[in-house]
Amino acid sequence: GDSVTQMEGPVTLSEEAFLTINCTYTATGYPSLFWYVQYPGEGLQLLLKATKADDKGSNKGFEATYRKETTSFHLEKGSVQVSDSAVYFCALSDQGGNNDMRFGAGTRLTVKP
Amino acid sequence: GAVVSQHPSRVICKSGTSVKIECRSLDFQATTMFWYRQFPKQSLMLMATSNEGSKATYEQGVEKDKFLINHASLTLSTLTVTSAHPEDSSFYICSASGGGYGYTFGSGTRLTVV
Repeated sequence: GDSVTQMEGPVTLSEEAFLTINCTYTATGYPSLFWYVQYPGEGLQLLLKATKADDKGSNKGFEATYRKETTSFHLEKGSVQVSDSAVYFCALSDQGGNNDMRFGAGTRLTVKP
Repeated sequence: GAVVSQHPSRVICKSGTSVKIECRSLDFQATTMFWYRQFPKQSLMLMATSNEGSKATYEQGVEKDKFLINHASLTLSTLTVTSAHPEDSSFYICSASGGGYGYTFGSGTRLTVV
């Protein structure tokens, strides 16, 4: 079945460092891809999404490009802030059928001043 | 690693009946559990947050009398959809945190009300 594999954490960076969190997927169809963020004590928030190949999702300085040839959707940010410390989840939703979501295991990011 | 078991994975029920969905943390104590709902072709919507031994906190617009959440132990939370109607048909997924494992998702439950 469909699945998502994302880079294991935790990841610790200094403020203003470059961030990459890798995400690859396996799907039989053409899924939509998502990055969610969960801040301490809060529920998930949608960070960005892409619905077709070569689409780039972006929000709050984060970007991810839907790469069909490499089945990837890596999350990047050029300069992280302390406030970006959170857990990041990659997810997919098959565009056909029921659109049930599948999540990666999550990557905890800690940004130090 | 942390594992969360969600059951059932799929359920079909008649309109007017109630359905219970279970979310269990198998190898850690889940002090907090989140329940989400996914509408067709949309991302997840947080329904409620529950802490073990206390009442769940519901998000605005979520009917607490319709979606009953019980988190009576550190390894089990249940979501009961009461008097289900076809518009309650959706994908429900839980997430549990605790024991230093961060957040772990269940595999989800596809509810169809006929």
